[in-house]
Amino acid sequence: EAQVTQNPRYLITVTGKKLTVTCSQNMNHEYMSWYRQDPGLGLRQIYYSMNVEVTDKGDVPEGYKVSRKEKRNFPLILESPSPNQTSLYFCASSHSQGTYGYTFGSGTRLTVV
Amino acid sequence: GENVEQHPSTLSVQEGDSAVIKCTYSDSASNYFPWYKQELGKGPQLIIDIRSNVGEKKDQRIAVTLNKTAKHFSLHITETQPEDSAVYFCAASIMGYQKVTFGIGTKLQVIP
Repeated sequence: EAQVTQNPRYLITVTGKKLTVTCSQNMNHEYMSWYRQDPGLGLRQIYYSMNVEVTDKGDVPEGYKVSRKEKRNFPLILESPSPNQTSLYFCASSHSQGTYGYTFGSGTRLTVV
Repeated sequence: GENVEQHPSTLSVQEGDSAVIKCTYSDSASNYFPWYKQELGKGPQLIIDIRSNVGEKKDQRIAVTLNKTAKHFSLHITETQPEDSAVYFCAASIMGYQKVTFGIGTKLQVIP
């Protein structure tokens, strides 16, 4: 089944403790992206990647890191999480040509206390 | 950068009626406009999209219209059903680029 898989689905952590949210897609998509969803703010892009080793900042990149060492994986790293990073996070992927619409993962609900 | 405004933020309709959600965008270079549906506890799912060289596109009960001059596009759902209840997001981007800007979403409730 074609899908984007995120792990974990739920995570509660403490301020300052480094964490990684994994994202993997099995559709051979070139594009991958991370979004956060907050009430009243919609979906905001954190980072995106056009292909392996090519990443760029979205609208809200502060406090996050990403890497794209393999085409299928695009982990989101929070080096020192803070409470304002409590949010619902989505990974998404798409082709670079033809169909541009995203396939989204199921989401990761992160709480930083 | 691109700015996408979406209205209304909430919409209630009777089953069988039509629903219309409107979005405006600011960047005239944007040429790809997808719509996503997000059901409770799930990620957004692409339901229809339109490119700037097309004025209207239909897929069964769903249609999208685009007015490039006015920089606005709309989602039309006809003969609404309870399973259409969800949050709908519009978005704008430039094909071939990954910078995608979403609207804030519209919560649609279809009342049986």
